[in-house]
Amino acid sequence: AQKVTQAQTEISVVEKEDVTLDCVYETRDTTYYLFWYKQPPSGELVFLIRRNSFDEQNEISGRYSWNFQKSTSSFNFTITASQVVDSAVYFCALHKRGGADGLTFGKGTHLIIQP
Amino acid sequence: GAVVSQHPSRVICKSGTSVKIECRSLDFQATTMFWYRQFPKQSLMLMATSNEGSKATYEQGVEKDKFLINHASLTLSTLTVTSAHPEDSSFYICSARDRQGSREAEAFFGQGTRLTVV
Repeated sequence: AQKVTQAQTEISVVEKEDVTLDCVYETRDTTYYLFWYKQPPSGELVFLIRRNSFDEQNEISGRYSWNFQKSTSSFNFTITASQVVDSAVYFCALHKRGGADGLTFGKGTHLIIQP
Repeated sequence: GAVVSQHPSRVICKSGTSVKIECRSLDFQATTMFWYRQFPKQSLMLMATSNEGSKATYEQGVEKDKFLINHASLTLSTLTVTSAHPEDSSFYICSARDRQGSREAEAFFGQGTRLTVV
């Protein structure tokens, strides 16, 4: 069975602060994908990143960065110099590579950026 | 990236009526589509997996007679909520999968449908 844990239910920071959203996963699969999505109040899911389990390189995209640590089964997401527009619910998800099942989502972290 | 279009984005219906939600893959052929449900302030839960030309596979606890899924073509899957009741009010969202090459289209979702049953 697969499981994704986002222990932080809600995080509130002041604009321009850096913030890290934690994601810990459990899987018996040796190959899998990890995802992060942003869900603004409008509801749609905005794809942020997909990471293959074979690729442990950290990734940076503008103010966003991701730290994949296979040894600790974690895939954390950091926003640098946060902005009010970053306020949303962020979901971490897991998928078995080549599998027929859909994604297993964490419970999400509600990020509030205060001006 | 892969484009998935979902319609309608919002629907209000009376209790006891049926509602159909469409999920279309616009720039690829989707052999498999996934339907998720999200209650307020909760996570997304997979309801069912639909494969083109065959019966959908439902997750445990999801009533297949209530949530009818049809995947008649490679670009369209529909979810019909039959005899809707207020407890069916939720956000329904689909994603589609493309087996062509290395594209993992399940990473991309439709815009979602917010269903309110009154």
